[in-house]
Amino acid sequence: GAVVSQHPSWVICKSGTSVKIECRSLDFQATTMFWYRQFPKQSLMLMATSNEGSKATYEQGVEKDKFLINHASLTLSTLTVTSAHPEDSSFYICSARPFYAGELFFGEGSRLTVL
Amino acid sequence: AQSVTQLGSHVSVSEGALVLLRCNYSSSVPPYLFWYVQYPNQGLQLLLKYTTGATLVKGINGFEAEFKKSETSFHLTKPSAHMSDAAEYFCRGSARQLTFGSGTQLTVLP
Repeated sequence: GAVVSQHPSWVICKSGTSVKIECRSLDFQATTMFWYRQFPKQSLMLMATSNEGSKATYEQGVEKDKFLINHASLTLSTLTVTSAHPEDSSFYICSARPFYAGELFFGEGSRLTVL
Repeated sequence: AQSVTQLGSHVSVSEGALVLLRCNYSSSVPPYLFWYVQYPNQGLQLLLKYTTGATLVKGINGFEAEFKKSETSFHLTKPSAHMSDAAEYFCRGSARQLTFGSGTQLTVLP
C-alpha cells in the first residue's frame, strides 16, 4: 500500500518558538494532503486541506496565521505551528490521497508538546 | 452533507468473543465508508472500505463490515477478539467530506 511519512514523530519546544512538521508521500504523488489535529481520547479534527501549488484551505475556526501550511511539491506538505503555546500541544496527523484513488493514507502522526 | 455516528465510545469484550463496533451514516447519496484502527501515538490504518458492489466487505486482521442501506449502517465485526485488537476505531464518511466518527475505544479482556 501507499506510504505516508511524518517527521518528527515527537517534538518538544519552548513557548513562543515555531515548529515545522513534514508530511511526505513516499511512493506516490499527492495533489492533495490533509492536516488533522487530535486531542487525547478524541476524534480527528480536520484543520486544513493542502493543495500542491496553491494556498491551503482552512476549516472554520483554524487560524491560518497560526498554522502555516505549504505544499511545495507533489510529495511534501509542511505544517508550521508559529509562536507555539502550551494549548497547541496535540497530536497532529497528515493524510494524502493519490490522484488514482479515493482513499486516504495516513502518516504516523507527530506529537507536539509545548512547554 | 454526509455524517457518521459511532455508537458507544467504549466497548469491552472478552478475548475470543465477538467484536461489534457500530457506525451509522446519514446521506442523501450512496456513501463511501471506511473503518480505521489507531494504536496509541500512531496514525490511522485502513481496515476496510465500502465503495460500490458487494455489501459485505472483508478487511485486514479478520475484520469485516456490512453495508446495510435499509439501516444506514456500516458496523464493524470480528468473530473472535484478540488482545492485539485493543485500539481506537474510527468510521469515516465519503472522501469529499472527510467526516470521521467520534471513535470507539475497544478493550479486550483476558
